[in-house]
Amino acid sequence: TQLLEQSPQFLSIQEGENLTVYCNSSSVFSSLQWYRQEPGEGPVLLVTVVTGGEVKKLKRLTFQFGDARKDSSLHITAAQPGDTGLYLCAGASSGYSTLTFGKGTMLLVSP
Amino acid sequence: SQTIHQWPATLVQPVGSPLSLECTVEGTSNPNLYWYRQAAGRGLQLLFYSVGIGQISSEVPQNLSASRPQDRQFILSSKKLLLSDSGFYLCAWSVHSSYNEQFFGPGTRLTVL
Repeated sequence: TQLLEQSPQFLSIQEGENLTVYCNSSSVFSSLQWYRQEPGEGPVLLVTVVTGGEVKKLKRLTFQFGDARKDSSLHITAAQPGDTGLYLCAGASSGYSTLTFGKGTMLLVSP
Repeated sequence: SQTIHQWPATLVQPVGSPLSLECTVEGTSNPNLYWYRQAAGRGLQLLFYSVGIGQISSEVPQNLSASRPQDRQFILSSKKLLLSDSGFYLCAWSVHSSYNEQFFGPGTRLTVL
């Protein structure tokens, strides 16, 4: 059974601070995705990383896939209240039609 | 462009009553379809997925069932709801690819009383 562990589970910070959330596994994934979910809504895909060591940037968000494709990180620079939400990582494996989801990191950014 | 619809948005049902949640996708054909349940502020539990019409895979044994009567329609049902069935139900779709990027509907908030 593949597992993805996310840390921290909960993060409360002030506007303007930087933060990093982690997604770790003992399994290798063919790709890894990050989603953000706002309260009462469905998750929205932010990014997909495919190659070991890959770094992708989305405005103030930086995503990195580990060299061994077993882990990933999300770094947010100068967090804003609009970044508040549940961040979920999910791993895909070749030949499987399902994703392995982590349990999420709940981020609260206060003004 | 593709869109995914779920209804109803909210539902309050008594214990022992039946359930039918519907999900439809527009703008794509032969998608993978998924039903998830989510506890408050936590991760997603995969309930069912389907790679084609009439093909349903169950991930968690329970009193729920799923059906895919048409290519882009996915239905979640129960004959008798339990209190533990309360939660946020999400439908998602993906294309058949190794990336399996999933696109979620707006969800249905189910409260069983």
